[in-house]
Amino acid sequence: EADIYQTPRYLVIGTGKKITLECSQTMGHDKMYWYQQDPGMELHLIHYSYGVNSTEKGDLSSESTVSRIRTEHFPLTLESARPSHTSQYLCASSEKGSNPRGYTFGSGTRLTVV
Amino acid sequence: GQQLNQSPQSMFIQEGEDVSMNCTSSSIFNTWLWYKQDPGEGPVLLIALYKAGELTSNGRLTAQFGITRKDSFLNISASIPSDVGIYFCAGPPKTSYDKVIFGPGTSLSVIP
Repeated sequence: EADIYQTPRYLVIGTGKKITLECSQTMGHDKMYWYQQDPGMELHLIHYSYGVNSTEKGDLSSESTVSRIRTEHFPLTLESARPSHTSQYLCASSEKGSNPRGYTFGSGTRLTVV
Repeated sequence: GQQLNQSPQSMFIQEGEDVSMNCTSSSIFNTWLWYKQDPGEGPVLLIALYKAGELTSNGRLTAQFGITRKDSFLNISASIPSDVGIYFCAGPPKTSYDKVIFGPGTSLSVIP
């Protein structure tokens, strides 16, 4: 039973369009993350947030941006989509604390830019 | 930077066989996490390990926290077709407890 929701599940969009991928969690988690993953490949951290008004870039450089205005909401925006942005985008959240119990992931958004 | 290595990279096994995979690091970890990702879905936490030497089971899955704290192992007994997916190890390195890093994954295929 998912407590973290991503929409849309699938998105096909033309080059140059602006898109926002939505991620919401109902667990009250302070920490939220965005990962980019090509099919069958590694997870690459592109953005994370430790709380409201806190956002940081991850290990993999990304042209996307994020915002954290509310605890439960962590949307990711691409101002001008390109074919190189085609990938799966996974959102995750975790509790605050130094001994994490792990991340809870959403089902992902599979983005195709044509 | 710190990274995790997983082996094997991929496995093709017959239904009913047992599976073993491992995860190694050059750094010490205080927590080891094992996730499974079904095709087209996000990863789901299977087992969390918090102490060196710890052995934890979840149904047919058993995971161990290596005593050197630099490795972990996952075993699946009597595999079934729904075991297909990618298995990721993960954890926060001792030097960076705030951030979890993920291994590259082991892809498991089960032949009925």
